[in-house]
Amino acid sequence: SAVISQKPSRDICQRGTSLTIQCQVDSQVTMMFWYRQQPGQSLTLIATANQGSEATYESGFVIDKFPISRPNLTFSTLTVSNMSPEDSSIYLCSVRDFEAFFGQGTRLTVV
Amino acid sequence: KQEVTQIPAALSVPEGENLVLNCSFTDSAIYNLQWFRQDPGKGLTSLLLIQSSQREQTSGRLNASLDKSSGRSTLYIAASQPGDSATYLCAVYKAAGNKLTFGGGTRVLVKP
Repeated sequence: SAVISQKPSRDICQRGTSLTIQCQVDSQVTMMFWYRQQPGQSLTLIATANQGSEATYESGFVIDKFPISRPNLTFSTLTVSNMSPEDSSIYLCSVRDFEAFFGQGTRLTVV
Repeated sequence: KQEVTQIPAALSVPEGENLVLNCSFTDSAIYNLQWFRQDPGKGLTSLLLIQSSQREQTSGRLNASLDKSSGRSTLYIAASQPGDSATYLCAVYKAAGNKLTFGGGTRVLVKP
């Protein structure tokens, strides 16, 4: 199993600003995944982050809005840029070897 | 395109009753299916993972079955407790390394 530490756990941000979410894993993993969960909805994959290469974004998500860093095999960040109230969601990072594991999520409210 | 559906969307039962949560998927060519629990505003906790070659998995009061041919999985929670109140999500992988596809979840309330 993997233990994932994600921070911040929650934040309230002003529109137009950016927030960087950090994800630390207790073991080395090849791929890390970033998800968004909008209020009352299920999870949607934003991007897959591989160490040493550009992240792969899903349809509807772009690098300018959600830049991702993956400096090593245990750490990744997701930035939510130029935020608007529509970005209010829970953001989760995840890893998978055989089984998928998730961080505790970042609850973002944009006002 | 794989689609995952969970019915019902919400469920309320008195304490002590057994819970039955359903998950259906459209493409039976799956690699694994995983059940998660999510508390309000929190991340996901893995409950059970069933490999495509397995028919069921058990952990304590939890039992999950898988019928690939019919595209269904069922999560049974025996003797429910108020602490079981949460949203339960199922997710499938089509192949190793591919992304997870999630169902919409079932929100469970167990009344004391």
